[in-house]
Amino acid sequence: GDSVTQMEGPVTLSEEAFLTINCTYTATGYPSLFWYVQYPGEGLQLLLKATKADDKGSNKGFEATYRKETTSFHLEKGSVQVSDSAVYFCALSDGYSSASKIIFGSGTRLSIRP
Amino acid sequence: SAVISQKPSRDICQRGTSLTIQCQVDSQVTMMFWYRQQPGQSLTLIATANQGSEATYESGFVIDKFPISRPNLTFSTLTVSNMSPEDSSIYLCSVGTANYGYTFGSGTRLTVV
Repeated sequence: GDSVTQMEGPVTLSEEAFLTINCTYTATGYPSLFWYVQYPGEGLQLLLKATKADDKGSNKGFEATYRKETTSFHLEKGSVQVSDSAVYFCALSDGYSSASKIIFGSGTRLSIRP
Repeated sequence: SAVISQKPSRDICQRGTSLTIQCQVDSQVTMMFWYRQQPGQSLTLIATANQGSEATYESGFVIDKFPISRPNLTFSTLTVSNMSPEDSSIYLCSVGTANYGYTFGSGTRLTVV
């Protein structure tokens, strides 16, 4: 079945460092891909998405490009801030109907040092 | 995107009892999804709830343990029955589609003692 594999954490970086969190997927069709973020003590928020190959999702300085040839959707940010400390989840959904469920990766905990 | 109100936000329950979690959506939706997030873990889908029919459960989850109601297109409940400490988790509801993304409720943090 469909699955998502993401970089294990925790990841600790200094402020202003470059961030990459790797995510690869397995799917039989052409899924939509997502990054969700969960800040400490808060709910799950959609960070960005891409619905077809070569699409680039971006938000709050974060970017991820849907790479069909490598089945990847790596999350990047050029200069992280302490406020980016959170758990990041890569996810996919395998269809466009209202019955399509979303499948999550294991999550990557990111901590940014001042 | 839809806005979901989920309650309670947290509860501490005695083992052997049941807790019902409610989710109210501000628009009509065909499907609602229920997830469990165990401590320090990712989200696992429990079931998909369609209005007017029985919920569809994922492997490892059964209706007797997690009965779901979906009385209309804006509301759903999940009951965690005969609770044990292993049921201590965050439970979330969600709505959405692959094209537009998924919105999640704020979660119910359940502790079973």
